[in-house]
Parts: sequence; structure tokens; C-alpha cells
Amino acid sequence: AQSVTQLDSQVPVFEEAPVELRCNYSSSVSVYLFWYVQYPNQGLQLLLKYLSGSTLVKGINGFEAEFNKSQTSFHLRKPSVHISDTAEYFCAVSVDNAGNMLTFGGGTRLMVKP
Amino acid sequence: EPEVTQTPSHQVTQMGQEVILRCVPISNHLYFYWYRQILGQKVEFLVSFYNNEISEKSEIFDDQFSVERPDGSNFTLKIRSTKLEDSAMYFCASRSRYGNTEAFFGQGTRLTVV
Repeated sequence: AQSVTQLDSQVPVFEEAPVELRCNYSSSVSVYLFWYVQYPNQGLQLLLKYLSGSTLVKGINGFEAEFNKSQTSFHLRKPSVHISDTAEYFCAVSVDNAGNMLTFGGGTRLMVKP
Repeated sequence: EPEVTQTPSHQVTQMGQEVILRCVPISNHLYFYWYRQILGQKVEFLVSFYNNEISEKSEIFDDQFSVERPDGSNFTLKIRSTKLEDSAMYFCASRSRYGNTEAFFGQGTRLTVV
């Protein structure tokens, strides 16, 4: 079985500051990693995913994440956030590269303040 | 841009009543999913559906739950006799059969059982 832990339930940050949202996972088998974002009253939208290759993955809206196998982490970063980045962010894992049967973390609410 | 749509956005039902949550997946997608998120908890996988049958289901998806693709466009989740603990946000998702494409999620239906 897999599990995902997002260590911070809320992250307040000022506009134009950098941000890191933390994600750790555990699994007895190899997994594929995903970050989803949920804006208010909208569905989950894929930000980025790690399937293989370079451990630094770039996604939409200027976000990137780094897969660290030894630390079983997949932290999400953005060098400069905007007010519009205020949303809930979910880290997820899957045992197949198509993202079937995603196991989600608890989510991190990013609150960008002016 | 194509999107997954779910109706209704909010449903209130009495305990013991049957409820049907509706989803219109993206056209030409062939994999369909239901997830749920109880308030304050993680998003949890319920069921995946392909080729008119369930391909995977979680332990949450017991005999009270069923899924159907009644007319080739809608994808429904039925809860036969709702319990208070079924109150949650239910997300539908669909995925193309081609390549390692991600699942696209709907905006969710908030089910409140009273």
C-alpha cells in the first residue's frame, strides 16, 4: 500500500515570495508522483508529474518539483508566487504511470497575501 | 477546452435515501473514476471503470455503491441507501486511452446526508 503525507495543512506567504510545499510518500513498490491544484469551486487540475528521467520536473504556472528517492519526497516549489496561486494543492502517487487509482495526500492550502 | 462536468454541484438527501451523482466525462475518454473527499480528510479513490465494467475498486466501494454508464455519455455513481458518513465531496474523472495522459477531474458534487 502507498501513503502520502503533506506536512503543512496551510502555508501563508506574501506575494512574490518563494514557496515550497512539502510532500513525502511511502510505498513498497515504485510509484509515480503527481501534484494537483484545486482552485475554489473547480476540479482538480494536474500541475506536474514525475514518471521517469530527470528528477526536476517543470509544470504549469511556473511550478516545479524535485523527486528525491532517498528521502521519498516530491516537494513543490515556485520562486515567486502570485495572488492567483491561492488554492489547495494535492500531492498524489500511483503505481502506474497513467495515474490510475491515485493515492492523495491531505492537501496544503496555499494562501498568498498582498 | 474540454472538461468533465458534474451535476448537481450540491445535493442534500435524507439518510436512507438513494442518490445518483452524475458526471459527463470528456468526449472520447474511455477510463472513468470516482473519488471522494470527506470534509477535512484526504481525497480517496473509490472506483475505476473501463469497457463498461469496474476495473478496480477500493474497500470503501461496498455493495451500497454502484456505477453505470447508462447512455454512452453520462457516468453515474449511485449510493443505494445513504448514511450520514457518506457526506463528502465526490469527484468524477476521466482519462484518454492514449499514452500516459493524466486524468481530468470534474469540479465535484458536495453530498450532504441529513
